[in-house]
Amino acid sequence: DVKVTQSSRYLVKRTGEKVFLECVQDMDHENMFWYRQDPGLGLRLIYFSYDVKMKEKGDIPEGYSVSREKKERFSLILESASTNQTSMYLCASSFRKSYNEQFFGPGTRLTVL
Amino acid sequence: AQSVTQLDSHVSVSEGTPVLLRCNYSSSYSPSLFWYVQHPNKGLQLLLKYTSAATLVKGINGFEAEFKKSETSFHLTKPSAHMSDAAEYFCVVIKRGRGDLIFGKGTKLSVKP
Repeated sequence: DVKVTQSSRYLVKRTGEKVFLECVQDMDHENMFWYRQDPGLGLRLIYFSYDVKMKEKGDIPEGYSVSREKKERFSLILESASTNQTSMYLCASSFRKSYNEQFFGPGTRLTVL
Repeated sequence: AQSVTQLDSHVSVSEGTPVLLRCNYSSSYSPSLFWYVQHPNKGLQLLLKYTSAATLVKGINGFEAEFKKSETSFHLTKPSAHMSDAAEYFCVVIKRGRGDLIFGKGTKLSVKP
């Protein structure tokens, strides 16, 4: 069974803290993605990666960075968390071909106080 | 540029009655389109996908969608709503080249007993 896991379901952090969100997939997918989901805005792409060590900016990369040291793992980093980064964060993965659907993790609800 | 527009932010139906969730798309190319569903506090699950093989696409849980090029629409339907269908539904198009997903704003489906 297809599986994308995220390290935490709920996370509470303070302004200025460095935050790591981890995502692991077990499907040998080349592509991995990080989105944030906010009410009324749908999902917006933060960063994505087509391969190990590769990263590309999405539509809203400001305030975030990513790391992909292994094919199955894609980390999202908030260098200095701010209250406007309070959101639901969703990780997804897919095979390389661009028409393939993405498989999503359960999400991490991050609150920054 | 590619985009999708979900025409209703909220749809309410009675159990046993038909469901119609509307989606229009904009694309210079033949698009790959999806419907995803998100139940409360759960991740996104693929309902069905259109990749130009057939215009009527059947998905899980009795849902289906019809691709109509002349109307640039990809509406989601189900003949008879069930209480378990209450969720948020997203119409999605793949961004050609980059391979990430462009999400509509979502339609929240309520099912009354």
